[in-house]
Amino acid sequence: EVQLVESGGVVVQPGGSLRLSCAASGFTFDDYAMHWLRLAPGKGLEWVSGISWDGAEIGYADSVEGRFTISRDNAKNSLYLQMNSLRAEDTALYYCAKGALVVVVSFFDHWGQGSLVTVSA
Amino acid sequence: EIVLTQSPATLSLSPGERATLSCRASQSVITYLAWYQLKPGQAPRLLIYDASNRATGVPARFSGSGSGTDFTLTISSLEPEDFAVYYCQQRRNWPLTFGGGTKVEIK
Repeated sequence: EVQLVESGGVVVQPGGSLRLSCAASGFTFDDYAMHWLRLAPGKGLEWVSGISWDGAEIGYADSVEGRFTISRDNAKNSLYLQMNSLRAEDTALYYCAKGALVVVVSFFDHWGQGSLVTVSA
Repeated sequence: EIVLTQSPATLSLSPGERATLSCRASQSVITYLAWYQLKPGQAPRLLIYDASNRATGVPARFSGSGSGTDFTLTISSLEPEDFAVYYCQQRRNWPLTFGGGTKVEIK
């Protein structure tokens, strides 16, 4: 059974930093691209970032480009999101999701339960 | 960026009724469109991928159709557990984008 468990969400001040982690199990982690997505209060789903199986291909939403960094450690079956220069509008439930295809441009066939990030003074 | 527009924003129906949800793309996504179901406190669930393929374990009452710019998710007969928010998503181009969602609520 595929399991994705996010951690690291907290309350942080504007301008602060945070690193989210996602522990994956139940599938061959280094066979698939992985992604971060978010759901902000009162808004819809938003794709944040994606990374290919080997880290060679990475993409970001314009809203986080230059502030967030995605990475993965295939030896640890883990995905990460380093979030810097946080803004109030980054407040959201952040999901880790498994890409369904080898390529990064994909749909998402398994999701975690999410980790809540609140940016507030 | 490909913009996805979902309609209606809210659909008020009774159990047993048919639900028809629309997703329109600002440019062709061929058939590279997926549908998800989101319920409070639960992980999002993939329902349909590549326009018309049901994901593993998804009941047959869910079906998807369309190509190019116009897509439809149909729930043939609503069950109580189907009342939720539904999103479409395209994988034709970076950045990956979602529609704004359609809430299916109990009438």
